[in-house]
Amino acid sequence: AQSVTQPDIHITVSEGASLELRCNYSYGATPYLFWYVQSPGQGLQLLLKYFSGDTLVQGIKGFEAEFKRSQSSFNLRKPSVHWSDAAEYFCGLVKEYGNKLVFGAGTILRVKS
Amino acid sequence: EPEVTQTPSHQVTQMGQEVILRCVPISNHLYFYWYRQILGQKVEFLVSFYNNEISEKSEIFDDQFSVERPDGSNFTLKIRSTKLEDSAMYFCASSLTHEAFFGQGTRLTVV
Repeated sequence: AQSVTQPDIHITVSEGASLELRCNYSYGATPYLFWYVQSPGQGLQLLLKYFSGDTLVQGIKGFEAEFKRSQSSFNLRKPSVHWSDAAEYFCGLVKEYGNKLVFGAGTILRVKS
Repeated sequence: EPEVTQTPSHQVTQMGQEVILRCVPISNHLYFYWYRQILGQKVEFLVSFYNNEISEKSEIFDDQFSVERPDGSNFTLKIRSTKLEDSAMYFCASSLTHEAFFGQGTRLTVV
């Protein structure tokens, strides 16, 4: 069965610093990969997705993620974090379309000024 | 831009009562889902629905839960007899292919 691991439960970064959130997946083939963001009390907003092709994908709000097949990873990055980026971030995997999205446990990002 | 709409945004119910959570998926989507997020925990899959039947369900989705698409636009989740542990945020989602679009959620509080 497919699974997603986000090793970091909490991460704190200073405003203006770079950010990398880790995501590892377990699946026998190349899955469809997603990053969602959830602000407190809010729904899930899609940041970016990877289906195929270029392994570096750009998303909204200045985020990007890189798919590395050899490491089964799909890490999320941002060069300069803003205070408004404080939220919880979920990595997700779909094995084929119409199938459920499997989420990681989430990483809570805190931004200090 | 099309979006998934959930109502109500917050519902408080007494333990043992039935609740129905409502969702209007995006109109041309074919796959429909319910997820649950207990406060402070991960987002968990409950059930997927395609072609007017359940295509997959999790262990959480026991006999107390049911889903229905009563007409061409609504998708509902019914909890027959609520328990305290059903308190959570419930998200509806729909998809046409790989990408799921989520509603803003219904916060269910069982007292």
